[in-house]
Amino acid sequence: GAGVSQSPRYKVAKRGQDVALRCDPISGHVSLFWYQQALGQGPEFLTYFQNEAQLDKSGLPSDRFFAERPEGSVSTLKIQRTQKEDSAVYLCASSGRVVNYGYTFGSGTRLTVV
Amino acid sequence: AQSVTQLDSQVPVFEEAPVELRCNYSSSVSVYLFWYVQYPNQGLQLLLKYLSGSTLVKGINGFEAEFNKSQTSFHLRKPSVHISDTAEYFCAVSDQTGANNLFFGTGTRLTVIP
Repeated sequence: GAGVSQSPRYKVAKRGQDVALRCDPISGHVSLFWYQQALGQGPEFLTYFQNEAQLDKSGLPSDRFFAERPEGSVSTLKIQRTQKEDSAVYLCASSGRVVNYGYTFGSGTRLTVV
Repeated sequence: AQSVTQLDSQVPVFEEAPVELRCNYSSSVSVYLFWYVQYPNQGLQLLLKYLSGSTLVKGINGFEAEFNKSQTSFHLRKPSVHISDTAEYFCAVSDQTGANNLFFGTGTRLTVIP
């Protein structure tokens, strides 16, 4: 597609509920990143994929967070047993092979846990 | 690891006036530097980047930034702002050694006053 697409745009979850956030990267982009942006803060790195391989998951805040990209294109970020502190905007970004030339971000999914 | 400090959380400026948004970084290795802009309810858009070469970098929408290695700074400037420049601006850094994630500052809210 023309850009990085994320769905849903907004998600309200009850505390303890599981959620799944989807990211459709730009076609052909091998690198995919997930970031978490809390209110009033800059984005913080969660995890990184190169094709289907998850090369870095050091930013995932707990074992309740899980990400996958089984076929090297669409990725899903899953949060189990959501907590109020998980409320944030979750941003997905993708890049071609030369990652440090800057990547393209999606519009994000705003998650609110009540 | 790297870190980024954006010294001003909010910058109000009158339309057609010049503006400078400050960014300082900390890193034990050589870095790449980026500025992103975020409009309300949208993802991050790359304004400009410094990879190597000339320390004065020109980006989109009339913005430019200057890399100063001795002062570890990468300040963003525009000689004459427009109402449409009202947005959140994020400075980001990544290292040159192969790690792929960006470290972001906390952002500067630029408000252009008519």
